[in-house]
Amino acid sequence: GAGVSQSPRYKVAKRGQDVALRCDPISGHVSLFWYQQALGQGPEFLTYFQNEAQLDKSGLPSDRFFAERPEGSVSTLKIQRTQQEDSAVYLCASSLYGSGYGYTFGSGTRLTVV
Amino acid sequence: KNEVEQSPQNLTAQEGEFITINCSYSVGISALHWLQQHPGGGIVSLFMLSSGKKKHGRLIATINIQEKHSSLHITASHPRDSAVYICAVSPETSGSRLTFGEGTQLTVNP
Repeated sequence: GAGVSQSPRYKVAKRGQDVALRCDPISGHVSLFWYQQALGQGPEFLTYFQNEAQLDKSGLPSDRFFAERPEGSVSTLKIQRTQQEDSAVYLCASSLYGSGYGYTFGSGTRLTVV
Repeated sequence: KNEVEQSPQNLTAQEGEFITINCSYSVGISALHWLQQHPGGGIVSLFMLSSGKKKHGRLIATINIQEKHSSLHITASHPRDSAVYICAVSPETSGSRLTFGEGTQLTVNP
């Protein structure tokens, strides 16, 4: 597609509920990143895929967070048993290949846990 | 201390003013990015640079690798420039991921 598409744009979840956030990167982009942005803060790295391989998941805050990209294109970030501190904007970015080619960001999913 | 520090945190200007936002970082990098984020919107990449200076329209970005410092300048500012401007770096030791500053909220009044 023309850009990085994320869905849903907004998600309200009750505490304890599981959520799944989707990222559809630019076609052909090898690298895909997930970032978490708390209100008033800069984004923080969560995880990174190169094609279907998850090369770095060091930023995932707990084992309740899980990400996958099974066919090397669309990626899903899943949060189990959501907690209030999970409330944030979740941003997806893709790159043709790594950091040397620049990034395209999606519009993000704003998750509110109540 | 964050690896990427931006100043100022908030900036209010009158239309037409020349604006400078600064970014300092403390790690070796392969590239530095300037990004723009509008309220409720996604992030738009403005510049990626590893040396020197780049210009796009009214926007100019410079970087001094030795001093670990970058600036983003906006000439003849306009209310539509109002947004959060974020500096992000690709650390040499962290592969492809970005480390972000906290952003500078710019408001340009008519």
